[in-house]
Amino acid sequence: ERVMTQSPATLSVSPGERVTLSCRASQSVASNLAWYQQKPGQPPRLLMYDVSTRATGVPARFSGSGFGTEFTLTISSLQSEDFAVYYCQQYNDWPPLTFGPGTKVEIK
Amino acid sequence: EVQLVESGGGLVQPGGSLRLACEASGFTFNEHYMDWVRQAPGKGLEWLARTRNRLNSHITEYAPSLRGRITISRDDSKNSVYLDMSSLKTEDTAVYYCARESKPQGTNWGSKFFDYWGQGILVTVSS
Repeated sequence: ERVMTQSPATLSVSPGERVTLSCRASQSVASNLAWYQQKPGQPPRLLMYDVSTRATGVPARFSGSGFGTEFTLTISSLQSEDFAVYYCQQYNDWPPLTFGPGTKVEIK
Repeated sequence: EVQLVESGGGLVQPGGSLRLACEASGFTFNEHYMDWVRQAPGKGLEWLARTRNRLNSHITEYAPSLRGRITISRDDSKNSVYLDMSSLKTEDTAVYYCARESKPQGTNWGSKFFDYWGQGILVTVSS
């Protein structure tokens, strides 16, 4: 099973700042990595897949990078609607498909 | 508009069973792989199971930790996917989501990531 870890667990940020979230896989997942955003009381929303492809409707301020075991989701200038929990998910090795524990981006 | 609507949740006693249903609309259901994912209160996401589409014989796959206690199935005539759960434990308390796997253009298989999710249904296992 591919174990996914994310850091930091919580990030306190001011609007307009650049944000970098990290995701690490216990073994290589190649480019088979997705990112989701989840706001309280809502289901997750797909942001990114294949590491760096933005899902439909996702603003260009979101970008992804990485390969193998180390991945990054960057928000170039944080907007108020971006405060949420972000999860990475690997789909290289299954079952099971696995998610990271999440990074909460909160208002500083 | 793609919609996924879960039903069947509620309070169940430890050791009990439950069937969750998810009705889909707004897309060609029989072309897509469908999954169930859960989220315990205040916790992260846990993938449970997937069912392949008709062209891939509705083959099912499960999280090893839950195999034997859950069964995923689908009825393409009703645009629905189901999750049967048995021998429920208090740690099964969670919001259960059905999710659609994205289908790469020009292919007949699922991508193993999820482009649409239902709103979720709460299952509480408690005496």
